[in-house]
Formats: sequence, structure tokens, C-alpha cells
Amino acid sequence: QVQLVQSGGGVVQPGGSLRLSCVASGMTFHTKGMHWVRLAPGKGLEWVSHIRFDGSSESYVDSVKGRFTVSRDNSKNTLYLDLNSLRPEDTAIYFCAKEVTYAYYDAFDLWGQGTAVAVSS
Amino acid sequence: DIQMTQSPSSLSASVGDRVTITCRASQPISNYLNWYQYKPGNAPKLLIYAASTLESEVPSRFSGSGSGTDFTLTISSLQPDDFATYYCQQTSINPPFNFGPGTKVEV
Repeated sequence: QVQLVQSGGGVVQPGGSLRLSCVASGMTFHTKGMHWVRLAPGKGLEWVSHIRFDGSSESYVDSVKGRFTVSRDNSKNTLYLDLNSLRPEDTAIYFCAKEVTYAYYDAFDLWGQGTAVAVSS
Repeated sequence: DIQMTQSPSSLSASVGDRVTITCRASQPISNYLNWYQYKPGNAPKLLIYAASTLESEVPSRFSGSGSGTDFTLTISSLQPDDFATYYCQQTSINPPFNFGPGTKVEV
């Protein structure tokens, strides 16, 4: 079964850290670019981060640069997002998503179930 | 960065209605435009990519059009399962793969 199963998340104090995980199954994970997207309360979807299929390149939305780190372990079919120096505005449901390329057109065709992160004192 | 806007932010509709949602990019993006459906508690679902190509197994009542800066998502006959929030996303210049602010379709 092709799926992404997420874990991690929880409640953390401002300035704290968390690690989110996303395990892929039923696909050739090591050939897929992967993304993280978040949905904050009362707001819309926000793209957070991307990592190339081989981990050779990463990118981030400006608001998390220097605080979040995306990584992957292709031997474990697992994507990670390390969240450091967390702020209340990072409170959101975080989704991992698989990138698909249809003849130069990129889209996110498979998503994890989401994991909640709450930053509060 | 390319900014995406959508209108309306919400709309009320009934089963059987024709619904149209508009998305605008802050600069031309050719047809590098995707549409997603989101329901609370679920994962977002890809509906349309390349502005007008229906993702596999998405009902044909969904359609997309546009190019450049202006795009539309149309639901030809709204069904009960279609009450959700819809997001456009640009993938022309990456990153960031910005989403629009969303359009909530409600009863």
C-alpha cells in the first residue's frame, strides 16, 4: 500500500525542539523529492520545506530558515523535520508530501496524515 | 517570491450548483498551477495539476483552466462530498511552492 505515515509532534514550550518523522511505504522513496507543508489554526496551507530525492539540496520558507532542518534516510524510507527554537506561530498541523513530476509539472500527489505541533508555555 | 491570491475566501452553495473559484498569481506562471481539496482531519488531496489536467480518479465534475496569472477551478455540479476548502498552488519558480489562502465551500 502506497502511504506516508507520520509520527512525532506534540506540545512544546517556546524555544523548544521537536522531530517529526514520515515513513514511506509502497514506493521507491529514494527517487522522490519530498516536502513539508503546515496548516496553522485559522490559516491556509503553507509550504515549509523541500528536500531533493538524494538529499543533496534543501529549501525552506523564510520564516523557518535557520530553525528547521529537513533530512532523509533513504535506507529507512524516512523523511525528517527537526524543529528548533520553536515559536507560538509554529503551532500547526504538519504534513509530509511526496512530489510527483508530470512532464515538468510538479505537484504533491501523496500526503501523510498530518501531525500536530503546539507551541505554548 | 510569487504570491497567490484566491477569491472568494468563502462561498455558500447548494448541491447541484455550479461553483467557480478564482486564483491569481502575482506574476506569470504559465500553467504551473495545481488545485487541492482539504477537509479537516484529512490529508489534502491533489485535484488538478498543470492548471487543467485532472489527477487520476478525480471526478470529471472538477475542471481547471487558465494560464499566465489567472486561473479558475470549476465544479460543474456540486456534490455533498465537495464541501471543503480549495487551495491553488504555484510550482513555476521553486521554492517556495506557495499556496493561495484558500476558498471554503460551505452549505
